Amino acid sequence: GQNIDQPTEMTATEGAIVQINCTYQTSGFNGLFWYQQHAGEAPTFLSYNVLDGLEEKGRFSSFLSRSKGYSYLLLKELQMKDSASYLCAVMDSNYQLIWGAGTKLIIKP
Amino acid sequence: SQTIHQWPATLVQPVGSPLSLECTVEGTSNPNLYWYRQAAGRGLQLLFYSVGIGQISSEVPQNLSASRPQDRQFILSSKKLLLSDSGFYLCAWSVLAGEGTDTQYFGPGTRLTVL
Repeated sequence: GQNIDQPTEMTATEGAIVQINCTYQTSGFNGLFWYQQHAGEAPTFLSYNVLDGLEEKGRFSSFLSRSKGYSYLLLKELQMKDSASYLCAVMDSNYQLIWGAGTKLIIKP
Repeated sequence: SQTIHQWPATLVQPVGSPLSLECTVEGTSNPNLYWYRQAAGRGLQLLFYSVGIGQISSEVPQNLSASRPQDRQFILSSKKLLLSDSGFYLCAWSVLAGEGTDTQYFGPGTRLTVL
């Protein structure tokens, strides 16, 4: 079967750095996505990785290792507004998105 | 730029009543359209997707149905709601771009409570 694993919840301090991991087992691979979802709101697109390596976008970076079936989202200089759930999703060989359950990130002052 | 609309934003319906949720996309042509449901504290469950007018693929057998009467309109319906239909319903669109990129963008969602 297809599976995406992420930690259920993480806590970090304002101004610090946090890394949210995602491991996957899917039928084929056509890219990995990260989304941010604030409570009660729709997910918003953060990043897309299809090749191995690190993609940086401001305070957020996303890393992919296809051989290990592993990705992480790195958030730097954490702000209170970063408190949200972070969803990892993999596009399989049929171009269908397989979603993880999400990681709830709690930022403390 | 592209925008996606969903309505209503919130809905409270009795068990056994019908349902109609609407989604429209502006600023793009021939998008792929999706309906998801998210139960409280859970991940996204794909319900239906459509690659064109009148073309609907169902991912989960249930009492829901979907229709795409126009290129940028996607409707989710039910004849009789169940308690288990409660959740956050999200519509999304995507357009296949270069190198296979097919990023999905979400509407604001409809929060449905079935009592």
